[in-house]
Amino acid sequence: EAGVTQFPSHSVIEKGQTVTLRCDPISGHDNLYWYRRVMGKEIKFLLHFVKESKQDESGMPNNRFLAERTGGTYSTLKVQPAELEDSGVYFCASSQDPGYGYTFGSGTRLTVV
Amino acid sequence: GQQLNQSPQSMFIQEGEDVSMNCTSSSIFNTWLWYKQDPGEGPVLLIALYKAGELTSNGRLTAQFGITRKDSFLNISASIPSDVGIYFCAVRTTSGTYKYIFGTGTRLKVLA
Repeated sequence: EAGVTQFPSHSVIEKGQTVTLRCDPISGHDNLYWYRRVMGKEIKFLLHFVKESKQDESGMPNNRFLAERTGGTYSTLKVQPAELEDSGVYFCASSQDPGYGYTFGSGTRLTVV
Repeated sequence: GQQLNQSPQSMFIQEGEDVSMNCTSSSIFNTWLWYKQDPGEGPVLLIALYKAGELTSNGRLTAQFGITRKDSFLNISASIPSDVGIYFCAVRTTSGTYKYIFGTGTRLKVLA
């Protein structure tokens, strides 16, 4: 089966611009997660979808971040306007039964200059 | 917020050597996991531990879930060049969302 796909793999934008990250989960996986790793620090939870519903968005840093999962398939994470501290690697993961772990994508490396 | 203290931060070892890294928490968790991230890739699950005191192996990797449920270690025996990467410990929170808390990672470099 195809894995979790994230696009783009890299993005360099200027402070104040908008960026949209996309995640295509493994087909049939209802659970979709977004995580972020800021340079040298731990990987931190951002939010969790079950199908198209946000189950937990307690990790979203602020209201400049907006995640959607229309139709319960792919998900987007928009950062608007981007700030320097938003730089990092954004990981998406999906699972059918998250009690037994989930599969991560390769990540999107975002650099805000 | 809850944190995992992972050590060491980085290791340089010779090929063939054994490696040990550990992770501690101030809180009790019922599921501990170890992930590896290769350069340019996402984390991949190596070992999951569900029971205090459990010792689990996956090839040359061995991990243990501490009796107190506040720590875990990962051992790699007879390291090879492809063991290079970042190793993360993680715990699963007790909330219904199954979100993970990750450690800061141990960067492993193997010298041939």
